[in-house]
Order: sequence, then structure tokens, then C-alpha cells
Amino acid sequence: QITLKESGPTLVKPTQTLTLTCTFSGFSLNTGAVGVGWIRQPPGKALEWLALIYWDDDSRYSPSLRTRLAITKDTSKNQVVLTLTNMDPVDTATYYCAHLRRRFFDSWGQGTLVTVSS
Amino acid sequence: DIQMTQSPSTLSASVGDRVTITCRASESISFWLAWYQQKPGEAPKLLIYKASSLESGVPSRFSGSGSGTEFTLTISSLQPDDFATYYCQQYNSYYITFGGGTKVEIK
Repeated sequence: QITLKESGPTLVKPTQTLTLTCTFSGFSLNTGAVGVGWIRQPPGKALEWLALIYWDDDSRYSPSLRTRLAITKDTSKNQVVLTLTNMDPVDTATYYCAHLRRRFFDSWGQGTLVTVSS
Repeated sequence: DIQMTQSPSTLSASVGDRVTITCRASESISFWLAWYQQKPGEAPKLLIYKASSLESGVPSRFSGSGSGTEFTLTISSLQPDDFATYYCQQYNSYYITFGGGTKVEIK
């Protein structure tokens, strides 16, 4: 059974850097064709894909946010880390990590709400 | 970037109705499309992948069709548990994009 859980701060100040960790079980990022992605959802709004990383370190970013995003993995800890720099109130959202099967998401974490406010 | 447009944005229906949601891509994505269901306060749940393949454990009243630029999600007989928001997602291009969502409300 695949499980994922997001962790990180619930409140960040404008201009700060957000660091979120996705800790997963039930699969290994050493396995071919496996990946983890990050998706966010502002309150009352639609889903927005942010980034993904595959077992072979292939990583991809949303074009609109690529200058602010970084995604890394630690296979020994079964973790994927997302950083988003220069946070702004419009980045207030629930952030989800999810397991990639090919390039769709078949298992999701519960999400973590991050609020950006001074 | 490939844009995904869902219609309608809101749909009012009754239990037992047949419901159809449309998702259009700004360019051809072959059949590389997934559908998700999201209930308030919950994470999205995968329903359909590769345009028409039903995810394991998903009731058979859900079905998907289409290819190229136009896709549909159909619920053959709406059940109380189906009132939720539905999203399409394309995975044909280097980047992933989601549609804007369709909220299915009780009529």
C-alpha cells in the first residue's frame, strides 16, 4: 500500500523560502518508472501542478514557477523535498505530494495548508 | 503549454441522472488524459487514466472517452457519493496541466 505525507511549516512570511518534505512508503524511488510530484491548490481554486522527479533524477517544473522551484529526492529516507523561494500571499495553498504512475497521480498525500502572511 | 478547459464549471444534477463532463485540450494529447474526483477537505482521487481506463476500485458507473483534443467523463447514474469536483489532467507534453474543475452539485 502506497502512502505519502507532506510536512513543513504552516505559516511563512512574504519573501521567505518554503521547504516541504514528502515522506512516503510502499514504493521505492530506486525503481524504474517511479516518480513523485507536487501539486498545490489555493483555497477554493483549481489544482496546479508544480514539479516532479523520477527515479533517475529527471526533474520537471511548471514553466510559470520554474525559477522559484527546486525538487530533490533522498532515496535512503524515502523522501522528496520541494523548495519554493520568494513566497508571496498568492502562494497560500494546500500543497500535495503524489505518487506518479507514468505521468498521472495514482496516490496522494493528505495535503498541507501553507499560509503566507506577515 | 497545453491548456485544459473543462465545461461546465458547475453542474446541477439529481441522484440517478446521467452526467457528462467535457475536457478540451488546446492541442492534441492523443489519449494521455486522467480524471480525478475531489471532495471538500480531501485529496483528489484518480478515477480514469489513459482517457478510458478505469482505475482499480472505481465504480463502473464512471467511464471516460475521447482522444486528441476532446474528452468526456460520464457518470451513468449519479449517486449521493458522487457530488464532488472533477478535474482532468493531461500528461502528453513535457509539462503536466490540470483543467479548471467541474463541480457537480445537488439539484
